[in-house]
Parts: sequence; C-alpha cells; structure tokens
Amino acid sequence: DGGITQSPKYLFRKEGQNVTLSCEQNLNHDAMYWYRQDPGQGLRLIYYSQIVNDFQKGDIAEGYSVSREKKESFPLTVTSAQKNPTAFYLCATSTVVTGANVLTFGAGSRLTVL
Amino acid sequence: GQNIDQPTEMTATEGAIVQINCTYQTSGFNGLFWYQQHAGEAPTFLSYNVLDGLEEKGRFSSFLSRSKGYSYLLLKELQMKDSASYLCAVSNSNYQLIWGAGTKLIIKP
Repeated sequence: DGGITQSPKYLFRKEGQNVTLSCEQNLNHDAMYWYRQDPGQGLRLIYYSQIVNDFQKGDIAEGYSVSREKKESFPLTVTSAQKNPTAFYLCATSTVVTGANVLTFGAGSRLTVL
Repeated sequence: GQNIDQPTEMTATEGAIVQINCTYQTSGFNGLFWYQQHAGEAPTFLSYNVLDGLEEKGRFSSFLSRSKGYSYLLLKELQMKDSASYLCAVSNSNYQLIWGAGTKLIIKP
C-alpha cells in the first residue's frame, strides 16, 4: 500500500539533545512538508521541499533542520536550539486532486522533552 | 493578519445533523479545505471548495461563500465514528495553507 511512514511514533528527549524524526513516502509525490501541531492551535509549517536537494523554511523553521537527499525521504531534526519542542509532528506530501493541492499526512510523531 | 476561526468544540447526537462553521480572513483566496482528524491520528482530506456553493460527498457537504469569508461543513446521519476534530484550512494568494485550530466534535448516543 502507498503511504507515508513516520518514525518513531513516540519519542522522549532530554533538554539539550538533538533528535531526528524520520519521514518516508512511497507515493511518488514530489512535494513534502513538516508541520507542528500544538493543542488549541492550527497546524504550523516548519519546512517544505518541492524537489530533491531543495527545501524552504516555513513559518516556524527556527531550531529545526531538514534534508532532502532522496525523493522518498524528508527527515526533520529538532535541535537543542528549539525552545519548546514538545509537540505532535506531522509529515505530509501533496498531490493535485481535481484542481486542489491535497495533503496526505503520515501518522505523526509525538515528541516530549523531559 | 491572517486568521481562521472555528468553534473549539461541538456536541451532537448520533443520527442527527451538525454544521461546523469556519470564517476566514486571509491575504487572497485560492480554495478552502476541510480535514478530519481522529484523536492521536493524522488528518485526512474531506473536501475542497474554491467556488461559491455547496459540494456534496455522501453524508458530508461543504459550503463556501467567498464574499462573506465563510464556510461550513455539514455532517448528516451522524455516526459514533464521526467523533473527531475537523480542521478548516485556506489557501491564500501565495498558495500557503492557513489552518484553523480545529473543532472537536463529540457524538453522544
């Protein structure tokens, strides 16, 4: 089945540590995205990539980094510079469906900083 | 600024009809999306409106009025599995998605 795989599903981190969240897709979609979801807030875009070896900052890129070395993979690193990293992280791809750029999301990774 | 407003929480009864409203103020408009998100899971696409009017898809319908900056999602014949959060998102003039905080829908038997 085609889809998006995020791992790990749950992750605990001590302050000062970097962590990397994996996102792999076999949908053959060009565009990939990382969103952060916090209670009571809308999804916020961290980074996105339209093509291999290229990516752009979203609205809240500070304290995060990404790479796009392969079409299938778009890992997100949460660095120690991110001041409030505890959140639910969603990876997504997009494709056009009847004229709309529709997002398909992975199951998410919940990061908790202890 | 850009803003999407949705009610935080709504309660409805199994078998009934519920309407979830979304109002928006964005820099330009290139379409409005509704996504469903069950607790702890990924959002899934429900509907897309770019022109005024009603789009019907089974038990779910979505309405758009661009002049009023307003949309609603109508859910009919509610089932317990419809208990979820419903996210409204608008694509602005730069094709950036602006997301509402979501409406948590609680279905009671």
